Amino acid sequence: EAGVTQFPSHSVIEKGQTVTLRCDPISGHDNLYWYRRVMGKEIKFLLHFVKESKQDESGMPNNRFLAERTGGTYSTLKVQPAELEDSGVYFCASSPLGNYGYTFGSGTRLTVV
Amino acid sequence: AQSVTQLDSHVSVSEGTPVLLRCNYSSSYSPSLFWYVQHPNKGLQLLLKYTSAATLVKGINGFEAEFKKSETSFHLTKPSAHMSDAAEYFCVVSGPRAGYALNFGKGTSLLVTP
Repeated sequence: EAGVTQFPSHSVIEKGQTVTLRCDPISGHDNLYWYRRVMGKEIKFLLHFVKESKQDESGMPNNRFLAERTGGTYSTLKVQPAELEDSGVYFCASSPLGNYGYTFGSGTRLTVV
Repeated sequence: AQSVTQLDSHVSVSEGTPVLLRCNYSSSYSPSLFWYVQHPNKGLQLLLKYTSAATLVKGINGFEAEFKKSETSFHLTKPSAHMSDAAEYFCVVSGPRAGYALNFGKGTSLLVTP
């Protein structure tokens, strides 16, 4: 079984540019979560999809962040325009409905310079 | 509201000695508790989880944790550390909010010395 795939694994962009992170969950996992770890801080919840629907986006830091999940399959997280404080590691996780079996991707390390 | 506090940001042990990583939790609900590990340049891996069954939970790689409601603790232990255990460990609590999204502690870095 393929795991949760995230790409790119690393991204370095300039302040003001746009970056799109992608997450491919495990096939059949309806739950998809995005988390972020900013340097020196704990890993924080960003948002939760069930299939293509956003269930909770209370953790999204501001309106520069936009997440989508096309057809309930892969998800993208766009940051536009990127700011220095957006640097960190962005994790994606997926799980079946009603199951605590989260599987995390390896994360995307975003550096904004 | 749910949260966890990892009491040590860094722990250093010698290879072959016991490991204890401490975690206290706070939860308005009956919590689900987890320990995750992250090795350098790797993703987060689930070590073990407690979801209201047995209070002593056994995980992978010889780790275990005991849920103690009276102490609101969920400490992670291993009888004998191995060099490959060096990593960052996260205590995590989950509840009904946000589809059972995870609330992470700040992490404990475990150093294992020869």
